[in-house]
Amino acid sequence: KQEVTQIPAALSVPEGENLVLNCSFTDSAIYNLQWFRQDPGKGLTSLLLIQSSQREQTSGRLNASLDKSSGRSTLYIAASQPGDSATYLCAVRPPGNYGQNFVFGPGTRLSVLP
Amino acid sequence: DAGVIQSPRHEVTEMGQEVTLRCKPISGHDYLFWYRQTMMRGLELLIYFNNNVPIDDSGMPEDRFSAKMPNASFSTLKIQPSEPRDSAVYFCASSWDREDYGYTFGSGTRLTVV
Repeated sequence: KQEVTQIPAALSVPEGENLVLNCSFTDSAIYNLQWFRQDPGKGLTSLLLIQSSQREQTSGRLNASLDKSSGRSTLYIAASQPGDSATYLCAVRPPGNYGQNFVFGPGTRLSVLP
Repeated sequence: DAGVIQSPRHEVTEMGQEVTLRCKPISGHDYLFWYRQTMMRGLELLIYFNNNVPIDDSGMPEDRFSAKMPNASFSTLKIQPSEPRDSAVYFCASSWDREDYGYTFGSGTRLTVV
């Protein structure tokens, strides 16, 4: 059974710092991996989607990498801003039957202090 | 596009009452998902539809839960009778293909059963 963990559970940094969020999954056979952001009281917003054949994706100050063999993904946030404060979740989709939907990690709660 | 629209935003009901949650997916999205989020269990997939047809309802916790999608622009999740342990935030999400591009969540319905 696929399990997803995220470290750290919470992170507090001063504005302007570069930071890395980590995601680990137990089964390296995945279809894709997606990073989401969740603001308090809101739904999830997709940040970056990495297909199994890809190694990384970039969007603005965000960069996500994928290493299937080691069961790891990292989300790099450059020059963090207070507006980046949110919970970040990674989710993996198993291969094969599409009915095996996303397995979500517990999230990392990020606070960027002005 | 207004995104995925869910109603109501908040629902407080007494144990034993019927609860109906509503979702309008993004136009053109062929997949619709219902999730439940709690502090204890995180984010769990309940059921998903493809082209209005329920494909996988293995995540539906009990027969008290049912979901329908009568057309491409509307879906409901019904709990009858409701119990206090059903208290959670229920999210609807939609995507336009099985590659997960455009995966979009609604803002959720916070359900409290007293």
